[in-house]
Amino acid sequence: AQSVSQHNHHVILSEAASLELGCNYSYGGTVNLFWYVQYPGQHLQLLLKYFSGDPLVKGIKGFEAEFIKSKFSFNLRKPSVQWSDTAEYFCAAAYGSSNTGKLIFGQGTTLQVKP
Amino acid sequence: KAGVTQTPRYLIKTRGQQVTLSCSPISGHRSVSWYQQTPGQGLQFLFEYFSETQRNKGNFPGRFSGRQFSNSRSEMNVSTLELGDSALYLCASSFVQGGEKLFFGSGTQLSVL
Repeated sequence: AQSVSQHNHHVILSEAASLELGCNYSYGGTVNLFWYVQYPGQHLQLLLKYFSGDPLVKGIKGFEAEFIKSKFSFNLRKPSVQWSDTAEYFCAAAYGSSNTGKLIFGQGTTLQVKP
Repeated sequence: KAGVTQTPRYLIKTRGQQVTLSCSPISGHRSVSWYQQTPGQGLQFLFEYFSETQRNKGNFPGRFSGRQFSNSRSEMNVSTLELGDSALYLCASSFVQGGEKLFFGSGTQLSVL
């Protein structure tokens, strides 16, 4: 079955620390990958996406992710986190090029950044 | 440009009742997807509509249904509510089916007593 798993459920960091959130997806042919973020009290919004091309993708607010096909991974990184990055982060996959409305989400990672 | 609008914001129902949730996509967007979010199961895909046709369906029982109107607004209906249907129901829209980005609404929080 198609699935997405996130390695960490709850991460606590101090400001200026580096962040890496793990995400693995199951094999299923053509796959498009996403990271969505939900800030407290706000709706889900797209951080970044990978469809094809350069496996290192850059998103908003200094986030980036690397697609490693051989490892079925799409980890999210940020060199230096800020208190405002406190949020829940979701990795998601869409299998099939026309199925980007049908996202398979990971369980989410709650990031808490201490000032 | 207004975002995705979901109504109502909160809803309380009792077991056995039915409920209808509404979603207005961003102007010009023609694809609407619905998701259920619970603490235990996370975010799960319900269905996707494009041009008034259901294009994809998730693994939910037939009690969950939806439709899309010619103005792209969408509704989802849950009949014979169960306690386990308590969840945040999220609607998302995109310009076309297969669009590169989903825009999510704030959701409807459904509580079944």
